[in-house]
Amino acid sequence: DQQVKQNSPSLSVQEGRISILNCDYTNSMFDYFLWYKKYPAEGPTFLISISSIKDKNEDGRFTVFLNKSAKHLSLHIVPSQPGDSAVYFCAAGYNAGNNRKLIWGLGTSLAVNP
Amino acid sequence: DAGITQSPRHKVTETGTPVTLRCHQTENHRYMYWYRQDPGHGLRLIHYSYGVKDTDKGEVSDGYSVSRSKTEDFLLTLESATSSQTSVYFCAITAQATNYGYTFGSGTRLTVV
Repeated sequence: DQQVKQNSPSLSVQEGRISILNCDYTNSMFDYFLWYKKYPAEGPTFLISISSIKDKNEDGRFTVFLNKSAKHLSLHIVPSQPGDSAVYFCAAGYNAGNNRKLIWGLGTSLAVNP
Repeated sequence: DAGITQSPRHKVTETGTPVTLRCHQTENHRYMYWYRQDPGHGLRLIHYSYGVKDTDKGEVSDGYSVSRSKTEDFLLTLESATSSQTSVYFCAITAQATNYGYTFGSGTRLTVV
């Protein structure tokens, strides 16, 4: 049972436009959310994160929005560039006893077309 | 780069043979993780380490063991490889457990035939 869901396996956007990647979660215990980007034949790269006490975090062209009541977060990329073409993973973290756990979504493949 | 390397990058092995994957870091980070990535499953944690000789199981640890005899190296061993262990394996490091900004290695693609 997926606790972190990225319902769109793929997304195609024109260069210069906004890319919006969505992520839904089911576990109310999640208190930290992250987005990672992954290029083929490389490991994931940390992109941006947000604590559950916030509803927005911005870093350059990347903004993450968190809607706790809807258990939904989104990543906005403005403006989109061809180099943003990659797989984007949403991940959520929580305390599990003495450990911190990180649960990953299945990823959304973003294609930014010139 | 990030100071984390995985070896080998690719390996083909036969069912029933033992296989060891190596993760080496130069960042002196305390926490190290082994993940596997499979279609339809995303990234799943196999084992992790929170210090030298301190390791614990993740969500898919059956058939795997790990060792960490020094800070910089975290070894993942498939005791008797099975076809279900064909996957891409990623190692990750972080300085603090509460810092989820993991740095990942480039991955090892393992094929068990």
